[in-house]
Amino acid sequence: QVQLVESGGGEVQPGGSLRLSCAASGFTFTSYAMHWVRQAPGKGLEWVAFIQSDGTVRHYGDSMEGRFTISRDNSQNTLYLHMSGLLSEDTAMYYCAKDLGVAWLMLDHWGQGVMVTVSS
Amino acid sequence: ERVMTQSPATLSASPGERATLSCRASQSVNTNFAWYQQKPGQAPRLLIYGASTRATGIPARFSGSGAGTEFTLTISSLQSEDFAVYYCQQYNNWPLTFGGGTKVEIK
Repeated sequence: QVQLVESGGGEVQPGGSLRLSCAASGFTFTSYAMHWVRQAPGKGLEWVAFIQSDGTVRHYGDSMEGRFTISRDNSQNTLYLHMSGLLSEDTAMYYCAKDLGVAWLMLDHWGQGVMVTVSS
Repeated sequence: ERVMTQSPATLSASPGERATLSCRASQSVNTNFAWYQQKPGQAPRLLIYGASTRATGIPARFSGSGAGTEFTLTISSLQSEDFAVYYCQQYNNWPLTFGGGTKVEIK
């Protein structure tokens, strides 16, 4: 079955950087687009970033553009999110999610999430 | 950016009752629209996509309707496991956007 396991979260100071990873298994990783979605404590869902199956097309949420970079290593079945210039408002649970298809843009499987806390 | 507005924020209902949740888009999203369910401490789960197509394994008591700017999720007879938060999402335009959520709680 599909498994998505995030790692790399933790506490970081404002202005700092962090790289999240998502190890995927149970499906043909190279055939599906992937996403990151975040959820601040007690708040709703906020879409973060998208990457096409071959990595050639990427899109970002407005507040992440220029600070976050989504990437993937198809040889390792791993998705990444590099975050820099972190702000307190980036504090959230970050979920890795699989697209329903090559770029159908609905998210049919989600990891359990990894917590990122930005605090001095 | 397409702003998605869900109503009500909280819906109180009893098991066995029918629940109707709404989502409005600030501009048309055609039928490029999905619903998700999230229970406390869990990741979201895809319920409906294409405005009305149930995702794999979703019970028939969940149904979606609508197009353009107005969408509805109906739960025909609430079960205990349905008390959760529900989010709508549009995927017609970048950036993808979610609604603020509707919490379905036990009355």
